[in-house]
Amino acid sequence: DIQLTQSPSFLSASVGDRVTISCRASQGVSSYLAWYQQKPGKVPRVLIYSASTLQSGVPSRFSGSGSGTEFTLTISSLQPEDFATYYCQQLNSYPLTFGGGTKVEIK
Amino acid sequence: EVLLLESGGDLVQPGGSLRLSCAASGFTFSGNAMSWVRQAPGKGLEWVSSISNNAFTTLYADSVKGRFTISRDNSENTLYLQMDGLTADDTAVYYCAKCNTYCQYRWFDSWGQGTLVTVSS
Repeated sequence: DIQLTQSPSFLSASVGDRVTISCRASQGVSSYLAWYQQKPGKVPRVLIYSASTLQSGVPSRFSGSGSGTEFTLTISSLQPEDFATYYCQQLNSYPLTFGGGTKVEIK
Repeated sequence: EVLLLESGGDLVQPGGSLRLSCAASGFTFSGNAMSWVRQAPGKGLEWVSSISNNAFTTLYADSVKGRFTISRDNSENTLYLQMDGLTADDTAVYYCAKCNTYCQYRWFDSWGQGTLVTVSS
């Protein structure tokens, strides 16, 4: 099974900050990686797929990069509505695993 | 608009069974693979199972293999998850998720609101 390790697991940031979240795969997943956002009590929604493609309707301050085993989600200027937990998911092979999540909180 | 509406979650005793349903609308159900993902209270997301658009292929996480069965009725636009031999570790919100055509190599582009399964005596 492919393990996904996200770092940090928690981060505290201010509105306007640039935020970077890392996702490392235990083996290569090519570009078959997605990022999801989940707000408290809400349903996950896809932000980025195929490592770097922005889902329709997602603000352009979100971006994704990487391939193989190293991936990054970047929020260029954190907004109040971005405080949430973020998960990466590999879709290269079954089982389709998720990272442990990164909770972004207000400083 | 894509809508996925789960139902069937309940309180069940250890060793019991439950069947979850997910009613889909707003897209061509028979053209998309589907998945179940669960989230234990205060925990992260865990993929549970996926099924191809024509139901020919089903896949399971090791944690549920042999106990859970995924199925679908394309004539009714409904996805199912039959859960047998439930344990406390199965306590979670269960989400139905639409794969973008396929699950492997693609992504989960829509999620239902979830249904809560609680396994306790």
